[in-house]
Amino acid sequence: DGGITQSPKYLFRKEGQNVTLSCEQNLNHDAMYWYRQDPGQGLRLIYYSQIVNDFQKGDIAEGYSVSREKKESFPLTVTSAQKNPTAFYLCASSISGVMNTGELFFGEGSRLTVL
Amino acid sequence: GQQLNQNPQSMFIQEGEDVSMNCTSSSIFNTWLWYKQDPGEGPVLLIALYKAGELTSNGRLTAQFGITRKDSFLNISASIPSDVGIYFCAGRENSGYALNFGKGTSLLVTP
Repeated sequence: DGGITQSPKYLFRKEGQNVTLSCEQNLNHDAMYWYRQDPGQGLRLIYYSQIVNDFQKGDIAEGYSVSREKKESFPLTVTSAQKNPTAFYLCASSISGVMNTGELFFGEGSRLTVL
Repeated sequence: GQQLNQNPQSMFIQEGEDVSMNCTSSSIFNTWLWYKQDPGEGPVLLIALYKAGELTSNGRLTAQFGITRKDSFLNISASIPSDVGIYFCAGRENSGYALNFGKGTSLLVTP
């Protein structure tokens, strides 16, 4: 089945440690996104990538980094510079270019807790 | 991007009642989408709207793209317990690429 796979689903980390969240899609989508979700805050855009080897900062990129070396993969690293990293992280993908309807397909999310 | 103004923030209703929620933006959008999120899961698309005035249904759900292009509405008729979840509106500006999201409407339905 086509879809987006995020791992791990739950992750605990100590303060000062970097952690990388995985996101893989087999939908053949060009565009991929990372959102952060906090209770009652909706979804806020961290980074997005329209094509391989290219990505742009979203609204809350500070303390995060990404890479897009393959079309299928868009990992997110939460660095020690992120002041409040405990959150639910959602990866999404979409068709790009003239066929872009705006619709995002989401993964099941990764919940990060900093102890 | 802007965060959309979504109301109400939460609703607590009885099974069988109808539900209405809305979303407004400060700029004109060319796309409005409505998503539902179950606890601990990613959002799933319910309805997509692409033209001002468009009215689209998906089962008991009906959504409208406002005439001003700055708002959208979602109605759920005859609610059932599995309608429980968080409903998000999302929209995209003509010149934009990524979606802007509302803060969500949390819906609780009692049998």
